[in-house]
Amino acid sequence: EAGVAQSPRYKIIEKRQSVAFWCNPISGHATLYWYQQILGQGPKLLIQFQNNGVVDDSQLPKDRFSAERLKGVDSTLKIQPAKLEDSAVYLCASSLVVDTDTQYFGPGTRLTVL
Amino acid sequence: AQTVTQSQPEMSVQEAETVTLSCTYDTSESDYYLFWYKQPPSRQMILVIRQEAYKQQNATENRFSVNFQKAAKSFSLKISDSQLGDAAMYFCAFKDSNYQLIWGAGTKLIIKP
Repeated sequence: EAGVAQSPRYKIIEKRQSVAFWCNPISGHATLYWYQQILGQGPKLLIQFQNNGVVDDSQLPKDRFSAERLKGVDSTLKIQPAKLEDSAVYLCASSLVVDTDTQYFGPGTRLTVL
Repeated sequence: AQTVTQSQPEMSVQEAETVTLSCTYDTSESDYYLFWYKQPPSRQMILVIRQEAYKQQNATENRFSVNFQKAAKSFSLKISDSQLGDAAMYFCAFKDSNYQLIWGAGTKLIIKP
């Protein structure tokens, strides 16, 4: 069974530039999550999708971050414009159902903002 | 607010020895789930073990076991016969009634050969 795929794996941009990350969850997984993990910290949930609807985006900085889940499968997370403090690893995870199920993580995208 | 605390930023253990990583949490809920995830250097986060709060029996997965003390709100992870491949960041996480995962800050586990 293929795991959660993410691209790119690494990205370096300058502040005020834009960047987009892509995630393909495990086939059949209805729930998709985007996390931000700053070095030395645990992941912080940015947004959670159930199929193609948003369940929780309370911690998403909506003035600069946006996310969508196309047709309830792939998802993209965009930052526009980026700030220095956005430097982090962006993790995508998926689960079969939302309540009791385990989340499966992708390899992450390491973003460096200069 | 619900919180997860991992009080050990770093732990080290000799290969083949046993180590215990601590985790405490704060919640007013009675039904929830607890997880330990492992994140090796530059590799992806993977589930080590999970525990349902309504189960009194401690979860076990091969060399990994937990000591779940519901009244004390404690959920420690014991790794027996430590191997070099166990070196990683270990995160404790709590899933609440909103189904969000609340994470601890992690414990870096170093295995000494």
